[in-house]
Amino acid sequence: GDSVTQMEGPVTLSEEAFLTINCTYTATGYPSLFWYVQYPGEGLQLLLKATKADDKGSNKGFEATYRKETTSFHLEKGSVQVSDSAVYFCALTSYSGSARQLTFGSGTQLTVLP
Amino acid sequence: DADVTQTPRNRITKTGKRIMLECSQTKGHDRMYWYRQDPGLGLRLIYYSFDVKDINKGEISDGYSVSRQAQAKFSLSLESAIPNQTALYFCATQGAGELFFGEGSRLTVL
Repeated sequence: GDSVTQMEGPVTLSEEAFLTINCTYTATGYPSLFWYVQYPGEGLQLLLKATKADDKGSNKGFEATYRKETTSFHLEKGSVQVSDSAVYFCALTSYSGSARQLTFGSGTQLTVLP
Repeated sequence: DADVTQTPRNRITKTGKRIMLECSQTKGHDRMYWYRQDPGLGLRLIYYSFDVKDINKGEISDGYSVSRQAQAKFSLSLESAIPNQTALYFCATQGAGELFFGEGSRLTVL
C-alpha cells in the first residue's frame, strides 16, 4: 500500500540555521503531497502542498518540491526561528477502495534554540 | 471559537470502561475523520464518514465504533477500553482537499 517515510527526529537547530526534513513516498498513481505542522498542544495544520510533479509548495518561508523521479518531497527553510519548533508531518493522498484519504509519515520533532 | 471542537480534551479511565469522544464542527463539511496519534507512528485512520449515512472503517478500526449524529457531529466510542488504546485522538474535517483538525483528546487507559 501507499506509505510515507520521514527523516527520524528529533532535530535540534540553532536559530537562523538551514532546515531540511526528508520525506520519501511510495504510491500508485499520482498522489498529492502535503506537509502538516503540529505546534505544542494543538492539532495539525496544513503548512504547504503540491499536487503534481515539479510543483513547489511554499508557506511561511518553508518550501518543498514534488520530485517524482526520486519520489521525494523534502521540507526546507533557509533560516529557522524559535517559533518554528513543532512536529512536522509529511503526508500523501491515498485511496482505500474508491475513497480518497491521507496517509501520514511518523512525524519529525523540530526544536529551534535561541 | 475553534472550527473543529473535541471533548473531552483529556480523560483518564480504567480498563473495561466505555468511553465516548465527541467532535463537532462549524465548517459545514460533509467529510469527517477520526485519527489516532502515537509517538513514532504518526497518525493512523480509525474511521471516516463522507456524510451522515456513510461510515467507513480505516486501517485500525478494531475496538472502536463511531456515530455520525448530524453533519456537524461525529463521535468515537471505545466500548471496553484497554491500555493500548492510550493515545492522542484527533477529529478532522475535509474541505477543498484540505484537512482541518481539532486540538485533540488525550486518553489514558489504566
